[in-house]
Amino acid sequence: QKEVEQDPGPLSVPEGAIVSLNCTYSNSAFQYFMWYRQYSRKGPELLMYTYSSGNKEDGRFTAQVDKSSKYISLFIRDSQPSDSATYLCAMSDRIQGAQKLVFGQGTRLTINP
Amino acid sequence: EPEVTQTPSHQVTQMGQEVILRCVPISNHLYFYWYRQILGQKVEFLVSFYNNEISEKSEIFDDQFSVERPDGSNFTLKIRSTKLEDSAMYFCASKRGLLLEKQETQYFGPGTRLLVL
Repeated sequence: QKEVEQDPGPLSVPEGAIVSLNCTYSNSAFQYFMWYRQYSRKGPELLMYTYSSGNKEDGRFTAQVDKSSKYISLFIRDSQPSDSATYLCAMSDRIQGAQKLVFGQGTRLTINP
Repeated sequence: EPEVTQTPSHQVTQMGQEVILRCVPISNHLYFYWYRQILGQKVEFLVSFYNNEISEKSEIFDDQFSVERPDGSNFTLKIRSTKLEDSAMYFCASKRGLLLEKQETQYFGPGTRLLVL
C-alpha cells in the first residue's frame, strides 16, 4: 500500500463550484498535513497546513483532517479559473526538526469559466 | 516576500557528466532540503540539511549525490556522474524551524529542470 494516495484526476468543474480534493494515507505516525498548489513547471506553493484533526479555514479554502480514518481533504469554495493548478497533499511524521515531506501524486484541477 | 531561488532553471547534460544545482534559501531559514519530481510522478524527498550536516537522506540519495552549503547563502546539490534516470525537476526548499507554527513549513523554489542525454 502506498504511503499517500491521491486521485490524480483530472478534475474539471465550472467556475463557482465547490471543489473537494482528498488524500488517504497509511502511516499513522503522520501528524503534520499540508496542501500545496503547483502551477505548470513551477515549484509547489504552500496553501494550508494543519497539525490536528478537524477543520481549518483560510478564505475560500478549508483543510480537513480525520486522523481516525487517515483521510485529509481540501475544499475550495467559489472556485475561480485562477485556481486551475495541480494540488498536492503532503505530510510528515514530525512537526519540528528536519521534516521529510511525503507527497501525494497531485490532482490536476481545471476551473472552467 | 522572501522566496527560495534556484539556478539554472534548465540544465542539459551528457550522461556521466557532473552537474551542480544551486539554491539560495530564504535568508533566515535554518533547514534546507532537496526534492525531485520525475515527469508525471510524485515529488520525492532526497535529503535534508541542518547545522552544516545531512539530517536525513532517502534511498535515492546515493554516493553519486552530495550537498553543500559553501557560504552563508547558497545550498548546492551535486550529482557526480549523471544517469539518464536522473532527468527530473529538482526542487530546493527551506524552513525557518523555530518551533512556532508557520515557521515549521517548508517553502519551495521554482525548480531546476535537469535533462540527461
